[in-house]
Amino acid sequence: EPEVTQTPSHQVTQMGQEVILRCVPISNHLYFYWYRQILGQKVEFLVSFYNNEISEKSEIFDDQFSVERPDGSNFTLKIRSTKLEDSAMYFCASSESTQVGWQFFGPGTRLTVL
Amino acid sequence: QKEVEQNSGPLSVPEGAIASLNCTYSDRGSQSFFWYRQYSGKSPELIMFIYSNGDKEDGRFTAQLNKASQYVSLLIRDSQPSDSATYLCAVSNTGFQKLVFGTGTRLLVSP
Repeated sequence: EPEVTQTPSHQVTQMGQEVILRCVPISNHLYFYWYRQILGQKVEFLVSFYNNEISEKSEIFDDQFSVERPDGSNFTLKIRSTKLEDSAMYFCASSESTQVGWQFFGPGTRLTVL
Repeated sequence: QKEVEQNSGPLSVPEGAIASLNCTYSDRGSQSFFWYRQYSGKSPELIMFIYSNGDKEDGRFTAQLNKASQYVSLLIRDSQPSDSATYLCAVSNTGFQKLVFGTGTRLLVSP
């Protein structure tokens, strides 16, 4: 069964450092998303991406964040200068090119900012 | 602010019982409704979706939608200890737009 994959599973970084979180969406999906979940809190939308551009972004997704689809398979989230409050689980999700809109989530990357 | 509200629980039910999970949403423009299951430390896993008023059944799961009352529910029949997890309600305006999640309801099924 096809699945969304994410690397690394856990990333530890120092405050102010740049991190890149990687995702490989399901191969025939065209819509891609990043969400985050701070420990004990709800899953929050960050950004959606379609046709090589951002479709929608939340208030959380400020200038420190960027997304890219560098090739036909990877989808990345970059945080330029990490803050302590960026510590969270980051989930990538993808959905098919239909009207159904089911979003399938990857296993997540746990980001710890020290 | 578009909100999705869920009782955080825990909701405790004995094995074999019916678990009833509820969710309300504030945005009347919401069109698509999803239930995800999240085990501790894991990612959300899609278990049900519903778009039309009424009931939708899939195995032991039944989703119910009442758009007039802005209310979505999930029934789990013959609950099993393996159903113990947090159940997340999520809504979106259209098929490809962002999901807005509730905080989730923690379900505990005791043997």
